[in-house]
Parts: sequence; structure tokens; C-alpha cells
Amino acid sequence: QLQVQESGPGLVKPSETLSLTCSVSGGSISSSSHHWGWIRQPPGKGLEWIGSIYYTEKTYYNPSLNSRVTISIDTSKNQFSLKLTSVTVADRAVYFCARVAMVGLGVDYWGRGALVTVSS
Amino acid sequence: SYELTQPPSVSVSPGLTASITCSGHKLGDKYTCWYQQKPGQSPLLVMYQDTKRPSGIPERFSGSSSGNTATLTISGTQAMDEADYYCQAWDSGSVVFGGGTKLTVL
Repeated sequence: QLQVQESGPGLVKPSETLSLTCSVSGGSISSSSHHWGWIRQPPGKGLEWIGSIYYTEKTYYNPSLNSRVTISIDTSKNQFSLKLTSVTVADRAVYFCARVAMVGLGVDYWGRGALVTVSS
Repeated sequence: SYELTQPPSVSVSPGLTASITCSGHKLGDKYTCWYQQKPGQSPLLVMYQDTKRPSGIPERFSGSSSGNTATLTISGTQAMDEADYYCQAWDSGSVVFGGGTKLTVL
């Protein structure tokens, strides 16, 4: 059974960079049938797509976050990572990593989520 | 950027049918997926490619899509179906989520 799990600091200072890593187990991150994505959810609000990456390192980013987001992949470690620069209190959210099946097939595996708070 | 619009809330009595809509420009030309999220949990995929149920999703969940609207229908709604529901589509390779609908079973 595939599992994805987020890890990283739960507290980031304003203007600094949020960094999270997603570890994938029970399957290969080098799958040609899947992307690997980050989604966030501010407390009490809806889901927001951040972006995704394919094993070839091709990335897709939410245009509203594009200038601050970098997603990378390490196939040797079966991990992918998120960096979000210049964070503000508006970036406080639960950050989910997930497996994205090819177009139409949906986000089929989700991590449990990691709450990241932005505060000095 | 592409937008998906959902009603903020839908109420249904137990045993009856709930319909949750999702609207977007020419949404019927794209694939729509639906997710169920209960408090404190990660979202769960309940419908993909407009009308298909993943393994383990009850048959009372069904989906349709045409024109500018996709619909998730829950027949014989049960108390356990009370949750937030999100529609999702793709636009230019990126994922887009609707704002979510809170389904109340009362």
C-alpha cells in the first residue's frame, strides 16, 4: 500500500522560506503514470493546489504562487520537496503531499498533512 | 485562471438524495474528480473521470458532467456522508479545486 508522509518544521518566521519533504513508501516515485503534488489548506478553509512534479523534474505550479514556489524530486531517496519563499501569516496552513494520477484519475493518495505556522 | 464554483452548503435528510454541483467554463469538456473530507482527515477521492468510483466507495455515490456543470449525487444519504466535498479539474496541466461544499445530513 502506497504511503506518503510530510516532514519539516512546523514553525517558520515571516519572510523566511518554508521547506517540507514528502517521503514515499510502498511504491516508486519514478512512476511514469503519476505526478507528485503539494496541496495546502488554511485552517477552516478550502483546498489550494500548490504544484506538482513528474519524475523527469517537469513541474506545474499554481500561477498565484508560481513566483515563490519550487518543487524538487529526489528519485534516489523516493522523496520530493516543497520550498515556499517569503512566507507571511497568510501561508499558515496544513500542507498535504499527494500522488496525482494522470489527467482525470485524481489525487489518489494523500499524506496526513503537516500544519505550518508562520510567526516570529 | 480557471475557476470552479460550488455552493457553500447543501442540506439533506437521511435516506434522501443529495446533489452537489460544480460549475466551470466548459467543465464538461474536462474530467472532474470529487473528494470527501471529514474533520481532521485528509481528503478522500470518491469520484474520478466524472463518473467512476474508486474501489471501496459505496455505490450510492455517483457523478455526472455536462456543459458547464459537474454533479456529485449521493443516493440514500447516510449520516456518515456528512462532510466537506470538493470538486477538482485540470487546466493547462495544473490541478484546480472548487471552494468546497459542506454537506449536512439532518
